[in-house]
Amino acid sequence: EVVLTQSPATLSLFPGERATLSCRARQSIVTFLAWYQHKPGQAPRLLIYDGSNRATGIPARFSGSGSGTDFTLTISSLEPEDFAVYYCQQRAYYPPTFGQGTKVEIK
Amino acid sequence: EVQILASGGGLVQPGGSLRLSCVASGFTFSKSSMTWVRQVPGRGLEWVSSLSDTGGSPYYADSVKGRFTVSRDNSNNTLYLQMNSLRADDTAMYYCARQTGTDVAPYFDSWGQGTLVSVSS
Repeated sequence: EVVLTQSPATLSLFPGERATLSCRARQSIVTFLAWYQHKPGQAPRLLIYDGSNRATGIPARFSGSGSGTDFTLTISSLEPEDFAVYYCQQRAYYPPTFGQGTKVEIK
Repeated sequence: EVQILASGGGLVQPGGSLRLSCVASGFTFSKSSMTWVRQVPGRGLEWVSSLSDTGGSPYYADSVKGRFTVSRDNSNNTLYLQMNSLRADDTAMYYCARQTGTDVAPYFDSWGQGTLVSVSS
């Protein structure tokens, strides 16, 4: 199965700052990568699919980029509700796999 | 509004069984493939099982193959996960999600809040 490695494990930032999260695959997954946001006690939420496409209702401050093995989720200016854990997930190869997550916490 | 509600979790002894249910509304359930994803406490997400819209193509993670069975009742908008021979490492929050993309290359675009399964003696 395809291993996804996310970095950093924790990102400590102030509201209003820019967040840059990384997801690296051990082999090329073209652009078949999604990003999810997960808050404690809530359902995960799809943010980005196929590398750079925002899901329905996702604010423009969330953007995804990358191809092959290296991908980035950028939150241009952190809002209070953006502090959460973020996961990447690939669908290029069966079974679908997730990264271990990056926690974005308030500094 | 899409709503997905999982239930049926609880405390069970190793070797025991449990059946999870997932009731969905706000979309055409009978035309949607569905998935179970779990999260071990303090760890990341793990895909567990998926089932096509007609129920004809189940998929399982190697870690649950032969022990878990996914099924659905489209007349009641419900997805099930029958879990047998449960082990301690099955302890997790189990999420039900609607699947998009293809059956072997999915994303998960709507999720429920999860039901907790604890396997312990």
